[in-house]
Amino acid sequence: SQQGEEDPQALSIQEGENATMNCSYKTSINNLQWYRQNSGRGLVHLILIRSNEREKHSGRLRVTLDTSKKSSSLLITASRAADTASYFCATWGTGAQKLVFGQGTRLTINP
Amino acid sequence: DAGVTQSPTHLIKTRGQQVTLRCSPKSGHDTVSWYQQALGQGPQFIFQYYEEEERQRGNFPDRFSGHQFPNYSSELNVNALLLGDSALYLCASSPTGIDSGNTIYFGEGSWLTVV
Repeated sequence: SQQGEEDPQALSIQEGENATMNCSYKTSINNLQWYRQNSGRGLVHLILIRSNEREKHSGRLRVTLDTSKKSSSLLITASRAADTASYFCATWGTGAQKLVFGQGTRLTINP
Repeated sequence: DAGVTQSPTHLIKTRGQQVTLRCSPKSGHDTVSWYQQALGQGPQFIFQYYEEEERQRGNFPDRFSGHQFPNYSSELNVNALLLGDSALYLCASSPTGIDSGNTIYFGEGSWLTVV
């Protein structure tokens, strides 16, 4: 079963614009991780945010976490064509031994 | 530093056959997990191996089994293949102490098509 729900399911924007993807989850977590997946390829780790953190940055990526709302967002600034991919949030639940993924957001950057 | 490596990258099997997929974890990692990703879906946890034992299992039938070797590499075996087993199989590795929330690294996956 999927715990995370990404919103929107698909997003298409122009190159240079910012892209925001949201993730909601259901249970308490130790951390939340965002991954990128190019078509048919493996998952590339983007950023990990722990339950006691509210915001993290990595290059053009900004992730927020609101544990009271059980939600997270991933912001990609100044998007590039190479950012075209599917993006997944995955939660590591309290006492868990696994990641639980959402169904992903398919991001398309138009040149 | 090699990342997580998986083999084979693609394979086609006939319904009812058996398949073995292989994974070598990232250097320094001793915990290996396997995930199944159907087309258009997010990955689903199959099981995790640590110290050569299955530590946790997801909601998958006994047709799915695994093994971890002393060098931490791992195999995923699927018996009596069904058409619905067609998917991308992802191996993930992490160091000891995963409970505290370390980054989990994934391989490129093995695409299995059952015909």
